[in-house]
Order: sequence, then structure tokens, then C-alpha cells
Amino acid sequence: QVQLKESGPGLVQPSQTLSLTCTVSGFSLTSNSVHWVRQPPGKGLEWVGAIWSGGSTDYNSALKSRLSISRDTSKSQVFLKMNSLQTEDTAIYFCTRSYYYVMDAWGQGASVTVSS
Amino acid sequence: IQLTQSPSLLSASVGDRVTLSCKGSQNINNYLAWYQQKLGEAPKLLIYNTNSLQTGIPSRFSGSGSGTDYTLTISSLQPEDVATYFCYQYNNGLTFGSGTKLEIK
Repeated sequence: QVQLKESGPGLVQPSQTLSLTCTVSGFSLTSNSVHWVRQPPGKGLEWVGAIWSGGSTDYNSALKSRLSISRDTSKSQVFLKMNSLQTEDTAIYFCTRSYYYVMDAWGQGASVTVSS
Repeated sequence: IQLTQSPSLLSASVGDRVTLSCKGSQNINNYLAWYQQKLGEAPKLLIYNTNSLQTGIPSRFSGSGSGTDYTLTISSLQPEDVATYFCYQYNNGLTFGSGTKLEIK
């Protein structure tokens, strides 16, 4: 059974760094890519970035300068780090499994609020 | 590629045939998927590659389209279909539409 679960702090202060972990089960990180997608309160979905099965990464061009995605295949974990957080980064952050760019399984989401 | 969904809000009756639209700013080459998101839940994949039904999704959902214009159709609306529906293209970059909120009249 494919599962993804996000974890991380619910509250981050402005200008600080967000660190999220996606722990997966039921599939291998070396066979599937994992993406991060975020959703601000009451708004639509925004692709954040991805780590591909081979380990390379791609980022949303609007976030690229602040963003890093990495993984630990031995622990089946994917990590998102985003620095210089602002209130506009307040959102639910989802990690998803992707097969040929189609996101077919999603985590429950991690709510992140940027506030002092 | 930017995706424009219409309408933004759709109200229909149980049993109605419902059509949701997604238009791309460029040719999407059929690399289009549809997601359903119920309140407080993660999105769920319904359709991929324009018209391929994801495993476990009821057959009342179908997709069609080509070029820049795509459609999600629900043949007979059910109460459990109340949700927001997003289209998603993966032909050139990865982008989502702004969503259509579907409610029961």
C-alpha cells in the first residue's frame, strides 16, 4: 500500500527556514519521483518542486532561489527546505508520488503558518 | 503553460450531466490530468493523459479534449461528487488550473 506522510513544524517565523520531511512506504524512491505541492488557505495548488528517481531535482522557477529538495533512500524520506519564509508561504504542503509526471498518490498534507 | 478553468463555481442537481472546462495557453498535447479535492482532504487523481480513468474511480467520470481545450464530464452527478476539481498539465512545466468548485443545487 502506497503511503506518504509529511511532518514538520506548524509555525515558522518570518525570514526563517522551513524544513519538512516526507516519509514514504509501499514504493521505492529510486523507482518513482516525489513532488512537493502547496496550497495557500482557500486557494489553488502550486507545484513547488520534485526529486526524480535518479536523484536530480527540479524547482518552481519562482521559488528556486530559496528551495532545496533532497532525500535519504535508506530511510525512504524526502526533505524540503525553504529559506527566507514570508507570510505568502503560509500553506498546506503536500508530498506526492509521481509516475511519468502524474501525481497518483498524495500525503495528508502539513499545515505551515508563517507568523511571528 | 497557464490553465484556465471554467466555471469557477458550478451548481447542479443530483443526476445531472456536468461538464467542467480547462483551457491551456498553449498546446497541452493530451498531457492533462484531473484531480478531485474534497474539503479538508488531499487531491485525488481521477483522470490522466486526458481520458485514462485512474484505478478505482467510478466510470461516471470521463475526460476528453485535445490541443488547448479539455473537459471533465460527470455523467450523473452524485452527492459525494461535491468537491473542487483541478486540471493539471505536464506537457511543458507542471501547472494546475485554479479549480472549479462543484456543489449540489
